[in-house]
Amino acid sequence: GEDVEQSLFLSVREGDSSVINCTYTDSSSTYLYWYKQEPGAGLQLLTYIFSNMDMKQDQRLTVLLNKKDKHLSLRIADTQTGDSAIYFCALKGFQKLVFGTGTRLLVSP
Amino acid sequence: DAGITQSPRHKVTETGTPVTLRCHQTENHRYMYWYRQDPGHGLRLIHYSYGVKDTDKGEVSDGYSVSRSKTEDFLLTLESATSSQTSVYFCAISGDRDEQYFGPGTRLTVT
Repeated sequence: GEDVEQSLFLSVREGDSSVINCTYTDSSSTYLYWYKQEPGAGLQLLTYIFSNMDMKQDQRLTVLLNKKDKHLSLRIADTQTGDSAIYFCALKGFQKLVFGTGTRLLVSP
Repeated sequence: DAGITQSPRHKVTETGTPVTLRCHQTENHRYMYWYRQDPGHGLRLIHYSYGVKDTDKGEVSDGYSVSRSKTEDFLLTLESATSSQTSVYFCAISGDRDEQYFGPGTRLTVT
């Protein structure tokens, strides 16, 4: 089955760019997704990328997909303290989404 | 806002008691899911439904049952709660691109 891995923790300063990485073992998923979870809340869909695209930009968010290396990344430009949260990548498995373990982003002033 | 509510939002119960969590959607989506989230384990799928009265097991279904008698409601039942079922439970619905939209969660503590 699919396996999705992320680094556990990322710390940046306010105003810097953040890059959160995700690798997966195998996927025929048509779309790949990024979610954000703030403390005490559910997961919020941030953005997604179609599997035949290399890049998608959505305001401060840039998603890069390297299908050859099975690598997905989320870049947040001009990171703000409100971006502090856990970020999950996900892709479609059989009848369900497969989620990474999440990367905790800490933004310091 | 995907129109998903969960009830209750918090519950404390004793070992051995039955517990039912409710998920309600206003979007008329066919697919609905129940997950649990635990530190070190991420999100794990418990059960899912692909229509009224159509359900299937996920990866951690032991000790849980579900029912879906109406499109808008998906119930998760712990027949006899155990301390290992202390967790945060999330309901989700599936959109047109297989993306999922999550409810706010139910924090369940089994003492």
